[in-house]
Amino acid sequence: NAGVTQTPKFQVLKTGQSMTLQCAQDMNHEYMSWYRQDPGMGLRLIHYSVGAGITDQGEVPNGYNVSRSTTEDFPLRLLSAAPSQTSVYFCASSVRAQGEAFFGQGTRLTVV
Amino acid sequence: QQQVKQSPQSLIVQKGGISIINCAYENTAFDYFPWYQQFPGKGPALLIAIRPDVSEKKEGRFTISFNKSAKQFSLHIMDSQPGDSATYFCAATQTARQLTFGSGTQLTVLP
Repeated sequence: NAGVTQTPKFQVLKTGQSMTLQCAQDMNHEYMSWYRQDPGMGLRLIHYSVGAGITDQGEVPNGYNVSRSTTEDFPLRLLSAAPSQTSVYFCASSVRAQGEAFFGQGTRLTVV
Repeated sequence: QQQVKQSPQSLIVQKGGISIINCAYENTAFDYFPWYQQFPGKGPALLIAIRPDVSEKKEGRFTISFNKSAKQFSLHIMDSQPGDSATYFCAATQTARQLTFGSGTQLTVLP
């Protein structure tokens, strides 16, 4: 079973470039989320979705956009990359908000 | 503002010892408290979770202790093994809300 799949695993961007981090899940979960993980900061919620067509902001949404056109996919877009967005990004999905969250393996992004 | 405070940041324990990680929260509306385990290069995975209607939950060598009045909860790993070496995150949430994570504890169990 694939679970939650994130691509790419590694990415280097130049300041000002844009890119999309892909996330797909095959468990038919309604809830999907994007987190960033920074040393000493834990996992911070960027954006989340409670179903296709519904998205909302988390704790640190600035500089990121999301959309949810299907149940399976939840891409995260960086509009104009900044060095402060250097981080490890995790996508997660769950049956409900308080259900077990299944995480992807992460995307390590470096902005130079 | 960190809603879930986790300590210590790092922990070194001898094989067979007890590992204890503590978390404290402020939001009394939180009603679900999971712990996640993360190995290097992997995403976090659910380890064990508790709701505030019980004071303790045990699954194998892992136990959550919950103190509602103090707004604290902790993870105890009994008979710690080198394979338990990982980063542990406590988290909290309230109904229909997303998870709020602590800052993480890097556990090293020495052989």
